[in-house]
Amino acid sequence: AQTVTQSQPEMSVQEAETVTLSCTYDTSESDYYLFWYKQPPSRQMILVIRQEAYKQQNATENRFSVNFQKAAKSFSLKISDSQLGDAAMYFCAYCSGRYDKVIFGPGTSLSVIP
Amino acid sequence: EAGVAQSPRYKIIEKRQSVAFWCNPISGHATLYWYQQILGQGPKLLIQFQNNGVVDDSQLPKDRFSAERLKGVDSTLKIQPAKLEDSAVYLCASSLGTGSNQPQHFGDGTRLSIL
Repeated sequence: AQTVTQSQPEMSVQEAETVTLSCTYDTSESDYYLFWYKQPPSRQMILVIRQEAYKQQNATENRFSVNFQKAAKSFSLKISDSQLGDAAMYFCAYCSGRYDKVIFGPGTSLSVIP
Repeated sequence: EAGVAQSPRYKIIEKRQSVAFWCNPISGHATLYWYQQILGQGPKLLIQFQNNGVVDDSQLPKDRFSAERLKGVDSTLKIQPAKLEDSAVYLCASSLGTGSNQPQHFGDGTRLSIL
């Protein structure tokens, strides 16, 4: 069965600095997708960035980028120029291309220090 | 575009009582998901609908949980009878269709507390 691990329960970053959140996953499949979701205190989960496993190029969305290491089964999220609004829970998620079922990691709570 | 609507926002009940949650997905979204998010954990999929058919309910405790999506639009999730371990946030999400390239859009969730 697929699993998603986030080894950092809590992280903090100074405003305007860069922070990297770690995620590793376990799968025997070759076709899958990886996601980072953000959940602010208001609780609505928002998709931050998505990576297709078949793509070698790392996905980028404005200040958010990923470092996708397929062989190592690692999928980290880098947030550049951190802003106060980035404070939230961040969940790494895996979706099988075959079964279309999303599995979430336990999350990392990110604090942004003014 | 209106987002995923859920109600109620909060619910407090005693154990062994029953409770129901309602979800209205984004218009035109064929796929609807119910997740359970226990405090400090990531969401866990309970059930997935494609239109009004069930795609996956493998993690739904069917002895006490039930869900339906009549007419392939709104959905309700029911718990009867509730247990203390059911205390969680119940999230509803929808997407245009199945397929990993279809992002899920989440509602605000219902926070359930069992006394």
